[in-house]
Amino acid sequence: GENVEQHPSTLSVQEGDSAVIKCTYSDSASNYFPWYKQELGKRPQLIIDIRSNVGEKKDQRIAVTLNKTAKHFSLHITETQPEDSAVYFCAAILNTGGFKTIFGAGTRLFVKA
Amino acid sequence: DAGITQSPRHKVTETGTPVTLRCHQTENHRYMYWYRQDPGHGLRLIHYSYGVKDTDKGEVSDGYSVSRSKTEDFLLTLESATSSQTSVYFCAIRKPSRNGLAGVNEQFFGPGTRLTVL
Repeated sequence: GENVEQHPSTLSVQEGDSAVIKCTYSDSASNYFPWYKQELGKRPQLIIDIRSNVGEKKDQRIAVTLNKTAKHFSLHITETQPEDSAVYFCAAILNTGGFKTIFGAGTRLFVKA
Repeated sequence: DAGITQSPRHKVTETGTPVTLRCHQTENHRYMYWYRQDPGHGLRLIHYSYGVKDTDKGEVSDGYSVSRSKTEDFLLTLESATSSQTSVYFCAIRKPSRNGLAGVNEQFFGPGTRLTVL
């Protein structure tokens, strides 16, 4: 079955710096890669997503890149702000068989003011 | 909250007792999911449903059962709770992507239930 590995588990950056979170997936049939942000005590919420036929997508300070050959995808946050502090999850989905989402273990991001 | 609620939101119970968690949606979505969230493991799928009376197992289904007798409700039951089932449980529905990605659906999560088994 699909497996998603996520690194690092913890990331601390200074306000204004960039943060990068990396994930790898195992099933080459995965074709959709969402990223979720979870603030303390709250539900995970989708922040950006990308399909397998696209290499890069950007939404303001957030961007996601995908390398299908290497089965890598990454989240890039530029000009980080204290409110970016949260746990971020990557995920991979096969668009068949129940559309099960396999999540990475999460990255706890701390943005220091 | 996009029409998805969970009850109860918090529960403390003792080992060996049965527990049922409820997920309720108001938007008539076909797919519903139950996850558990534990430190270092992210979100792991327990069971999911693709329609009334249609369910299937996820990656950590042992010790759990589910039922879906109507579209709006998806129940998760722990027949005999154990301490290893102490966790935060999230229900999710599958709905069209808010980011406008054509042909793609996202999973939208409920507020979560914190379950403690003593």
